[in-house]
Amino acid sequence: AQTVTQSQPEMSVQEAETVTLSCTYDTSESDYYLFWYKQPPSRQMILVIRQEAYKQQNATENRFSVNFQKAAKSFSLKISDSQLGDAAMYFCAWSTNAGNNRKLIWGLGTSLAVNP
Amino acid sequence: DVKVTQSSRYLVKRTGEKVFLECVQDMDHENMFWYRQDPGLGLRLIYFSYDVKMKEKGDIPEGYSVSREKKERFSLILESASTNQTSMYLCASREGNTGANVLTFGAGSRLTVL
Repeated sequence: AQTVTQSQPEMSVQEAETVTLSCTYDTSESDYYLFWYKQPPSRQMILVIRQEAYKQQNATENRFSVNFQKAAKSFSLKISDSQLGDAAMYFCAWSTNAGNNRKLIWGLGTSLAVNP
Repeated sequence: DVKVTQSSRYLVKRTGEKVFLECVQDMDHENMFWYRQDPGLGLRLIYFSYDVKMKEKGDIPEGYSVSREKKERFSLILESASTNQTSMYLCASREGNTGANVLTFGAGSRLTVL
């Protein structure tokens, strides 16, 4: 069975600095997606970034980038120039790209605090 | 933008009451989901629906049922609420079974059962 592990329940970063959130996963499939979602306090969960497993190039979205290491089954999120608005719970998730029942497998989340 | 609206942000109910949590999406998405979110347990899938009147159990369906009579609306029903169902409930929708499998979430419904 697929699993997603976020080994850091809580992290903190100083405003304007860089932080990396870790995520590892386990799967025997070769075609899948990986995601980072952000859930700010009392606000809805939104997609931050996604990566297709067959693409070697790491995905980037403005200050957010990933380090996708397929062989190591690692998918870390780097936040550059951290802002107060980045404070949130971050969830890593995995999904197969095959078949109809493409449920997401979620990590337990990392709570990120941004210190002014 | 796709919008997923959950009718109640906060609810307080008594043990044994029947509870309805409503979710509406406005972008003609085929798939809809109900998750439960608890500290330290992450997101757990309760039920999902691929189409109108279609539903499948997720990982923790016990004590819950769902209804999808119209494409845009997916309701979660607690037939007899219990204190262990105190939680945050998240509704999400997805365009279909192909593509990038991106979910759009509602703002959540925090249910307290006394």
